[in-house]
Amino acid sequence: GAVVSQHPSRVICKSGTSVKIECRSLDFQATTMFWYRQFPKQSLMLMATSNEGSKATYEQGVEKDKFLINHASLTLSTLTVTSAHPEDSSFYICSASPGLGETQYFGPGTRLLVL
Amino acid sequence: AQSVTQLGSHVSVSEGALVLLRCNYSSSVPPYLFWYVQYPNQGLQLLLKYTTGATLVKGINGFEAEFKKSETSFHLTKPSAHMSDAAEYFCAVSDSGGSYIPTFGRGTSLIVHP
Repeated sequence: GAVVSQHPSRVICKSGTSVKIECRSLDFQATTMFWYRQFPKQSLMLMATSNEGSKATYEQGVEKDKFLINHASLTLSTLTVTSAHPEDSSFYICSASPGLGETQYFGPGTRLLVL
Repeated sequence: AQSVTQLGSHVSVSEGALVLLRCNYSSSVPPYLFWYVQYPNQGLQLLLKYTTGATLVKGINGFEAEFKKSETSFHLTKPSAHMSDAAEYFCAVSDSGGSYIPTFGRGTSLIVHP
């Protein structure tokens, strides 16, 4: 089956620093990747849709200058949390889809803790 | 617009008992429906999905779900619960005629007692 990886799996950083999270589709090309945020005991909240070679589409209320998304290739998308603050601490999950209308395959998630 | 309602944030069953996790959806177009499972500190794994065709869908780990248009439901069942089934389960709906981006329910935590 389709495999999506995320790196790192867990990161702790100081307030004010930036953190980059990578999402890779290992055995298929992903024209579209998605970034979600999940708070404890809650559902996934879609942050943005990332399309290879174009700007990401952000959901309402998500700061695009705060959460920088780059989809440089068909197998890699990155999410950079800039000037992280404690309220940015969360579980970030990416997913990738081989094409429009195809099933999304989810990465294992990245736990971010900002001190 | 679409939405998903999962009844019950927690469902507790005994090992070997029937598992029933409820999901009702709202969609203005024919929906695609999904069930995902999430184990602690992990991403989501697709259990099963309905797009078109047979309304009873069989998934992995012995789970199945039935699409009932008249009831706008897509409940997840498993005849006999196993301890390893304890996890968080998410129902999701996507728009078959548009963005295909799923909207997730709030999740149901399945607890399995020995």
